[in-house]
Amino acid sequence: EAEVAQSPRYKITEKSQAVAFWCDPISGHATLYWYRQILGQGPELLVQFQDESVVDDSQLPKDRFSAERLKGVDSTLKIQPAELGDSAMYLCASSGQGREQFFGPGTRLTVL
Amino acid sequence: GNSVTQMEGPVTLSEEAFLTINCTYTATGYPSLFWYVQYPGEGLQLLLKATKADDKGSNKGFEATYRKETTSFHLEKGSVQVSDSAVYFCALKASGGGADGLTFGKGTHLIIQP
Repeated sequence: EAEVAQSPRYKITEKSQAVAFWCDPISGHATLYWYRQILGQGPELLVQFQDESVVDDSQLPKDRFSAERLKGVDSTLKIQPAELGDSAMYLCASSGQGREQFFGPGTRLTVL
Repeated sequence: GNSVTQMEGPVTLSEEAFLTINCTYTATGYPSLFWYVQYPGEGLQLLLKATKADDKGSNKGFEATYRKETTSFHLEKGSVQVSDSAVYFCALKASGGGADGLTFGKGTHLIIQP
């Protein structure tokens, strides 16, 4: 069964350092999403891609967060510099042709 | 803007009890509504969905009916099992446009005791 892959699964970093997360969507899925889930909260959308283009990044803190999907397949989310409040689970999801979103296992980030 | 409100947990029930998790939403137009489940150590999984008013989504014994008049999408199950212990999220997807990211509630932690 096809799955969304994410790495790393866990990341511990110190504040002011740079971190990056990687997502490989289900093959053929044109739409890719990054969500942030703070402990005890529901996921919140950070950015949505359609192929390599950004569709919605209105909730992405652009002063420190960046996301790219250069070839319209896998994607990288970067934080620089990381802050204590960035500790959360970062979830990637993909969908095909406006259908169900399939979620990856997430990357749990801890900023010390 | 769009928002989802669901009952806070944890909700603790005995096995075979009846389950209701309340969910209400605020959105313009005609959103699609979803319930996702997150088992311990796993990613979010779609449990059920409904795309228009009066639709009933169902899966694995769970049901939810899209009630536009009360802007609700309550999750129900007639007889819960220990294996249903998980965190349940209600979510909506706004209608129209290319931006279709989900808006989630805060989640309800369900604990089923044997």
